[in-house]
This record gives sequence, C-alpha cells and structure tokens, in this order.
Amino acid sequence: KAGVTQTPRYLIKTRGQQVTLSCSPISGHRSVSWYQQTPGQGLQFLFEYFSETQRNKGNFPGRFSGRQFSNSRSEMNVSTLELGDSALYLCASSLERSVYGYTFGSGTRLTVV
Amino acid sequence: AQTVTQSQPEMSVQEAETVTLSCTYDTSENNYYLFWYKQPPSRQMILVIRQEAYKQQNATENRFSVNFQKAAKSFSLKISDSQLGDTAMYFCAFMNPNSGYSTLTFGKGTMLLVSP
Repeated sequence: KAGVTQTPRYLIKTRGQQVTLSCSPISGHRSVSWYQQTPGQGLQFLFEYFSETQRNKGNFPGRFSGRQFSNSRSEMNVSTLELGDSALYLCASSLERSVYGYTFGSGTRLTVV
Repeated sequence: AQTVTQSQPEMSVQEAETVTLSCTYDTSENNYYLFWYKQPPSRQMILVIRQEAYKQQNATENRFSVNFQKAAKSFSLKISDSQLGDTAMYFCAFMNPNSGYSTLTFGKGTMLLVSP
C-alpha cells in the first residue's frame, strides 16, 4: 500500500515568486492536512481538506491557499514568497475521522532565497 | 487554545536501556486524543502511539508505552530496550475533537539519540 507522496522533495524559489506543492494521500483517505515545520515555530497547522472542501484553517496569511481534487490529491500554493516561508511542508492524510492519527508524507523542503 | 509542552529538547540513551520522554498539555476539554510521533532524518512523521483521554488504561505498542495522567495533564512516552533505529525527533501532539478532528497541536519536540 503506497504511503503519502509529496512532490517535489526539495524546492528553491526566489522571494516574490509563487510555489505549488503536491500531495497524494493514501488510497481511500479523503482527509488531507498540511503543516508547516520550522526550527523556530515548530509544527503549525495550515489547513485541512475533506471531499474537496476546506474544513479547517490555521492562522496563516491569505498567501497560503490550497485545494483538493476529486481523487483526494491536494495542492497547496504560496504566493509572493517571503524568506520566512522557508520551511518543511508536511502533508498528512487520514480516513474521515482522524482520531486514529494521521499518516504523513516525507515533506517538501522549500527554501526561499 | 490548547498548548503542548515538551521540556526536554534533547535526550540520550544507550542501546538496550529505557528512556522516558515528557509531555504536558493544557486544555479545558474532557474528551481528546494524544499522540506521540517520531520523525527520523528521513523527515517522515511516523505515528508511534495514541491515547484516548476517556480511557484510563495506558496505551502500549511493543517497546513503546505511555504514562497518561489526565488530572496532571501529563503524557510521557517510555521506550524500553532502546535501539539505534529509535534515534529521531519525538513529538507529542494533541487533538481536540471539538475542532473537527482535523487539527493536531504539536510540542516543540525532543531529540533522542541512541548510542551503541
């Protein structure tokens, strides 16, 4: 059974550009969440999608957005990149009720220069 | 808002020994879920163990067990017979079902180094 797949694994972008990260959840998982991990702030919740609808959103500026497709794959987009957006972005998927815990991908390491 | 505190930034242990990682949390909720995740250098967060707050029995998964003290809001992880492969960052996480089951609040993590 394939795990959660995130692409690309590494990305270098210039300040002011935009970026799109992709996440393919485990087959059958309909919930996809995104987290940002930085040394200073730790792991912070970005948003969660379920059946193509954003179900929950963390405290991030509007430059951070996402979407989910009918096959449950999800993308997150960051526009007008800032140096502080450099982070590891983790995607996690789960069945409808995530009380059993999430399955995470290996993340996309974004570096903004 | 819930907060999760891991007071040990780093810990080290020798192979075959037992180590306990600490975690405390703050919440006004009565029903919630607690998790320990492991993040090795591969970066993937791996679920180690979970605990349901309404269950008094401490969860156990092979060499991993927890000491859940609900009144004290404490959720420590005990690793028995430590192995080199246990070297990783360990995160304690809290989930409040009232937030829609979707948000995990993480502690800052404890880096565990297992040496031969």
